[in-house]
Amino acid sequence: AQKVTQAQTEISVVEKEDVTLDCVYETRDTTYYLFWYKQPPSGELVFLIRRNSFDEQNEISGRYSWNFQKSTSSFNFTITASQVVDSAVYFCALSNPDSGTYKYIFGTGTRLKVLA
Amino acid sequence: DAGITQSPRHKVTETGTPVTLRCHQTENHRYMYWYRQDPGHGLRLIHYSYGVKDTDKGEVSDGYSVSRSKTEDFLLTLESATSSQTSVYFCAAARDSNTEAFFGQGTRLTVV
Repeated sequence: AQKVTQAQTEISVVEKEDVTLDCVYETRDTTYYLFWYKQPPSGELVFLIRRNSFDEQNEISGRYSWNFQKSTSSFNFTITASQVVDSAVYFCALSNPDSGTYKYIFGTGTRLKVLA
Repeated sequence: DAGITQSPRHKVTETGTPVTLRCHQTENHRYMYWYRQDPGHGLRLIHYSYGVKDTDKGEVSDGYSVSRSKTEDFLLTLESATSSQTSVYFCAAARDSNTEAFFGQGTRLTVV
């Protein structure tokens, strides 16, 4: 079974704090892809990052960083020095194209509130 | 992005009426998807398509049907709308099944 769990429903931080959003996935496939999306209050879904299962290097993009650990089936997302504009719902997703299906399985999302 | 346009953006309809939502993409992506977003449930897959006339069910497909007669268009039909289908519907498209999916702006559907 394929599943994505985002256990944190809502997180509130004060501006400039660091925050980590957790994502745990389940899959039996050895080849899979993980994604993060941002949904700001305006409602659109914005793609942030894609990672394949063979690349465990951490990724950094400005204040954003991602930590992929196959040993714990986790793909966590950290925002450093958070800003009010980071307030959004963040979704983690999984795809397993080698399983013969072509679905993207999403977690339930984490709502991040950054307070000024 | 994949130039994805959803129409209509907002719709109010009565229980029992059929409703069709349209998704149009301009990038010739092979894969297209319909999701619904509800509080506490995140994004749930309704149906998806892996080519013209090739579609399959997602996890919440009951009460919905889809059609894809052209690469660029993916239609979602609610055969007989119910209040439980009040939701925000998102269409997505992806070039390959291992690349990122890009989303439309969403359609807010209210069934009264």
